[in-house]
This record gives sequence, C-alpha cells and structure tokens, in this order.
Amino acid sequence: KAGVTQTPRYLIKTRGQQVTLSCSPISGHRSVSWYQQTPGQGLQFLFEYFSETQRNKGNFPGRFSGRQFSNSRSEMNVSTLELGDSALYLCASSFGTSGRMEETQYFGPGTRLLVL
Amino acid sequence: KQEVTQIPAALSVPEGENLVLNCSFTDSAIYNLQWFRQDPGKGLTSLLLIQSSQREQTSGRLNASLDKSSGRSTLYIAASQPGDSATYLCAGLGGSQGNLIFGKGTKLSVKP
Repeated sequence: KAGVTQTPRYLIKTRGQQVTLSCSPISGHRSVSWYQQTPGQGLQFLFEYFSETQRNKGNFPGRFSGRQFSNSRSEMNVSTLELGDSALYLCASSFGTSGRMEETQYFGPGTRLLVL
Repeated sequence: KQEVTQIPAALSVPEGENLVLNCSFTDSAIYNLQWFRQDPGKGLTSLLLIQSSQREQTSGRLNASLDKSSGRSTLYIAASQPGDSATYLCAGLGGSQGNLIFGKGTKLSVKP
C-alpha cells in the first residue's frame, strides 16, 4: 500500500509570493491534516479536512488555507509569504471516521519551504 | 488548553543501554497519546498509540505507558541500537480538542 505522498519536496519562494502544496493520502483514508514544523515552535497543527470539509482549524492567520478534493487529495495554500513561513510542512492521513484524530496518523515526508 | 512537554531535549547513550523518554501533558482528560519517530529531514513514523482506557502498549523493543492521573507518558526502549538514533515526539489528543498537540521532541543518539 502506498504511503502518504507530498509534492513538491522542496520549494524556494520570495516574500510576497504565494505557494500551493499537495498531499495525497493513503488509499481509503478520508482525513488529511496539515502541520507546520519549525525549530523554534515544533509541530503546530494547521487544519484538518474530512470529506472535502474543514473539520478542525489551528491558530494560524487567514493567509493559510486549504481544501480537499473528492478523491481525498488535499492542497494547502499560503498567500503573501513571509520569512517566518519557512518551515517543513507535513501532512498526515487517517480513516477519520470517528470524527476525531484518535486513529494512528500516517505522515508524509513533508515539503520543505524556504522563503527568501 | 493541552500542552505537551518532553524532557530532555537531547539524549546520548551507548549502544545496548535501556532508556526511557519522558512526555508530560497538562490536560488529564487526554483522549489518547501517540509516540512518533522522526529521522532527519523526514516525516514522522508512528510507533505506538495508547488510548485513554489503556495503560501501556508494546511493539518489539518499545514499550509506552500512559498515566493520566500524573499527566505522564514514557517510552521505554530496550537494548538500544545505533539505528534507534532519531528524534522521538509524543502527541496528545485532548478531551476537548480535535487535533494532536505535539511536544518538541527528544533527540536520541545511540553511540556504537
């Protein structure tokens, strides 16, 4: 069974630009969550999508947005990039049928974003 | 609001040693707790998940325990190997939250 895949793996952008990251979950998983990982703040939850609906949201500004498609693939978008957005962005998938993130979360390899 | 703390931030041990990694959380109404491993530049690999109704879980040389009353979880690694070198993260799912809250991890180095 293929694992969670994320594209692209590496990205360099400049301040003010926008970026779109993609995540394909494990087949059969309907929940996709996004996290930002930085050395200073660690792993922080961005949002979770289930069946094309945002189910949970972390404490990030509106520049961070996401969506999920009918095949459960998800994208996250960051507009008006700032230097502080440089991070490893991880997505995780699970079946998600319980309504909570109580099942084992399977993570992708991440997208490393560098904002110059 | 759930907060998760991991101490120490880094640990170096000789090969073959048994070791314990600690994780503490503030919300005793925790729903479950998961331990993950992260290799440099990589994503997270799930190691063990303990539901709130359980006290421990075991997988191979790994054993994780959960004590809700004291707000603590420990990950025990038996007979450590250089391949165990990685950052270990714990994450709690609070009773009132729908998402995982992560500690900042313990970076483990096992010396041959």
